[in-house]
Amino acid sequence: DQQVKQNSPSLSVQEGRISILNCDYTNSMFDYFLWYKKYPAEGPTFLISISSIKDKNEDGRFTVFLNKSAKHLSLHIVPSQPGDSAVYFCAASARLQGGSEKLVFGKGTKLTVNP
Amino acid sequence: ETGVTQSPTHLIKTRGQQVTLRCSSQSGHNTVSWYQQALGQGPQFIFQYYREEENGRGNFPPRFSGLQFPNYSSELNVNALELDDSALYLCASSLTVHSYEQYFGPGTRLTVT
Repeated sequence: DQQVKQNSPSLSVQEGRISILNCDYTNSMFDYFLWYKKYPAEGPTFLISISSIKDKNEDGRFTVFLNKSAKHLSLHIVPSQPGDSAVYFCAASARLQGGSEKLVFGKGTKLTVNP
Repeated sequence: ETGVTQSPTHLIKTRGQQVTLRCSSQSGHNTVSWYQQALGQGPQFIFQYYREEENGRGNFPPRFSGLQFPNYSSELNVNALELDDSALYLCASSLTVHSYEQYFGPGTRLTVT
């Protein structure tokens, strides 16, 4: 049962344009969402996050939007740069019984930014 | 401040064998989680350790076990290896047990033949 879905396996954009990566989730108990970026042969790197009580969070070129009613979030990268080429994972934080958090990941979207 | 480190980088084992993977948490982080990432998939939660005790577990059988040490380093042990255990194993540390953000190491690529 895929609770976090990234339906686009890949996305290709031109340098300088906007990249929009999408993510859907099914569990309304998720209260925090994160985006990670992963280069080959490296672990995922935390990029940006958003609490479920907000609908937007911005950090430089990266903005995450959350639509709770649609159970949808998106990551906008403006302007896109060739160094942004990587696999992007959407993750939701789920509460464990002991009160701590585990991450539930989507399958990832491979972004390619062409010069 | 050092990040999360893992060893070894790559490992090849035979079906039925046992393996131990190691992780050193980011300085000051007292919680460690382990994830398995199969090819083409996102990371899947295996378990989490806090204060040297298992603090939560995903849908993995008991042959997956772990340890956390007082210096916050940790181990993932897998017994009776199966071909499907071939994957990238990621360790992630977080500042506290209630932190949302987790910081990942580079992973150990395990191949079971």
